[in-house]
Amino acid sequence: EVHLVESGGDFVQVGGSLRLSCATSGFVFNDYYVDWVRQAPGGTLEWIGRIRGKANGYTTEYAAPVRGRFIISRDDSTNSVFLEIKYPKVEDTAMYFCSRSRAGTYVLDSWGQGTQVTVSS
Amino acid sequence: DVQLTQSPSFLSASVGDSITLTCRASQDIGTALAWFQQRPGKALKLVIQSASTLQSGVPSSFSGGGSGTEFTLTISYLRPEDFATYYCQQMKEYPITFGQGTRLDIK
Repeated sequence: EVHLVESGGDFVQVGGSLRLSCATSGFVFNDYYVDWVRQAPGGTLEWIGRIRGKANGYTTEYAAPVRGRFIISRDDSTNSVFLEIKYPKVEDTAMYFCSRSRAGTYVLDSWGQGTQVTVSS
Repeated sequence: DVQLTQSPSFLSASVGDSITLTCRASQDIGTALAWFQQRPGKALKLVIQSASTLQSGVPSSFSGGGSGTEFTLTISYLRPEDFATYYCQQMKEYPITFGQGTRLDIK
């Protein structure tokens, strides 16, 4: 069974830093890209970015609002993906989800249940 | 960026009803559209991909249609577990974008 489990969400102050993890199991990790998506308190979903697998050089894509502050990485030895949030802002407060898509399809077919990040000033 | 506008934002219906949700794209995205279901406190669940392909395990009461800029999600017979919030999402181009959601409540 496919599982994605996010962790690392916390209360953090503006200007701090945070690292979220996405632990995966139940599928061939190398065959999939992993995306991060966040959901603001009002329910709006916002795509953050994507990391491709080894076959695609671990390349990444980011949404403009987070480019330069958020860094996505992956560890194929532990089937995990990470989201580093630098200099968080109050508007980064959200539930953060990871999801997978088979390489080349871009269909986000499985999701985790999320981890909450709250940024205070 | 591709803007997705869902309508209605809120819908109240009864078990057994048939309902249709709409998602409009700000530019032609072909059939690069997915629909997701989100129940409170649960992970998002892929319902429809490529505008009309039913995801494995999803009841056949769900169907998707459309192409270009106008898309629909129809649930032909509402069951209690179908009451949730539904989001459309485009994967035609970066950045990937989502609609604002339609909340489906039981009447």
